[in-house]
Amino acid sequence: EVQLVQSGAEVKKPGESLKISCKGSGYRFTTYWIGWVRQMPGKGLEWMGVIYPDDSDTRYSPSFQGQVTISVDKSINTAYLQWDSLKASDTAMYYCARPSDSDSSGPFDYWGQGTLVTVSS
Amino acid sequence: QSALTQPASVSGSPGQSITISCTGISSVFGTFYYVSWYQQHPGKAPKLVIFEGSKRPSGVSNRFSGSKSGNAASLTISGLQAEDEADYYCKSFTSSNTWVFGGGTTVTVL
Repeated sequence: EVQLVQSGAEVKKPGESLKISCKGSGYRFTTYWIGWVRQMPGKGLEWMGVIYPDDSDTRYSPSFQGQVTISVDKSINTAYLQWDSLKASDTAMYYCARPSDSDSSGPFDYWGQGTLVTVSS
Repeated sequence: QSALTQPASVSGSPGQSITISCTGISSVFGTFYYVSWYQQHPGKAPKLVIFEGSKRPSGVSNRFSGSKSGNAASLTISGLQAEDEADYYCKSFTSSNTWVFGGGTTVTVL
């Protein structure tokens, strides 16, 4: 069974750094893209970027390029989303997701449970 | 503001059919093949209901269908049921090798 298990909720102060994780299991981790999606409180879904674990090929939405870093540790089947300096506007639910097709970075058929990040002074 | 435009809300009575449009496909990549649709209930992770424009993943009700009309993609829910009340998002590939979601549509079952 394919599973994506995300790290727990975080409460941080503006300016702090943060790295949240998404651990994949039940499939060959290195051969499927993993993506990240943001959902701000009461708002819609925003596609942030994807990474291909085998070679760390990474693509970012222009809206998130330079704002976050997506990385992976394939030795432990885990993808990461990282901020160097959080802002209050980073407060959101963050989902990781995986396509059903190993040839595509596209339609996300499997989703993590979400990680709620709260940034407040 | 998303490059893909959806109506903010659509409503229908049980048993009716509703259609949600997603415009701007041609401006992001132009290929219906790359359109997918997601359903999201409050407090839950999104769920894929249509991919490659009109295909349904295993387990998704055949009451959900995807189509193309001109430069827009559409999601139709037939035989509307109370459980269909949710937010729906289209998504498309872009010329930058990235993906983008539409702004989302809230479906209300009257």
